[in-house]
Amino acid sequence: GNSVTQMEGPVTLSEEAFLTINCTYTATGYPSLFWYVQYPGEGLQLLLKATKADDKGSNKGFEATYRKETTSFHLEKGSVQVSDSAVYFCALSDPGFNKFYFGSGTKLNVKP
Amino acid sequence: EADIYQTPRYLVIGTGKKITLECSQTMGHDKMYWYQQDPGMELHLIHYSYGVNSTEKGDLSSESTVSRIRTEHFPLTLESARPSHTSQYLCASSEWGRGLNTEAFFGQGTRLTVV
Repeated sequence: GNSVTQMEGPVTLSEEAFLTINCTYTATGYPSLFWYVQYPGEGLQLLLKATKADDKGSNKGFEATYRKETTSFHLEKGSVQVSDSAVYFCALSDPGFNKFYFGSGTKLNVKP
Repeated sequence: EADIYQTPRYLVIGTGKKITLECSQTMGHDKMYWYQQDPGMELHLIHYSYGVNSTEKGDLSSESTVSRIRTEHFPLTLESARPSHTSQYLCASSEWGRGLNTEAFFGQGTRLTVV
């Protein structure tokens, strides 16, 4: 079956620190992988995506690489800001059925 | 910018009342979803639709019902609200078709409180 596992939070960092949020997946077939971000009181916004192995998604300084050999899609950012404080969700979609599977979310707190 | 809208954003209602949460999208997407998000942040799929006149139950059992009479509109109804229905409800949409690698677009959510 399909599932997504991401590291538990909360993750607390100081401003300008390096961020990694781990995400691994199990899937049948060739899924697409996504990172979504949710700010307080809001819905989910797509942060980045990758649709095939070795693709790198990037946006707003965040990056993640689709690693088929390790079934991973870790989110990284070189220097976080206070405004990056939010909940981050890793997700995959089954292209056969467009069903989405979400991880449980990782809360990031960035302190000045 | 995603064009999917949910109303109301916040709703406080008494036990036993009937409520409808509205969700509309202007992207022409066939597939639409309703998720319930608990305070622990996890998302639970409660309903989805492949298109007009299609509705399916999701992974989490819910007392709510949905309808899809128009492509752009996917309302969720609770016939008799209870405190256990207190939650954040998120609507989403996506293109649909075999082999498509497309993301889901989310509305801003409705925070429902049943007192």
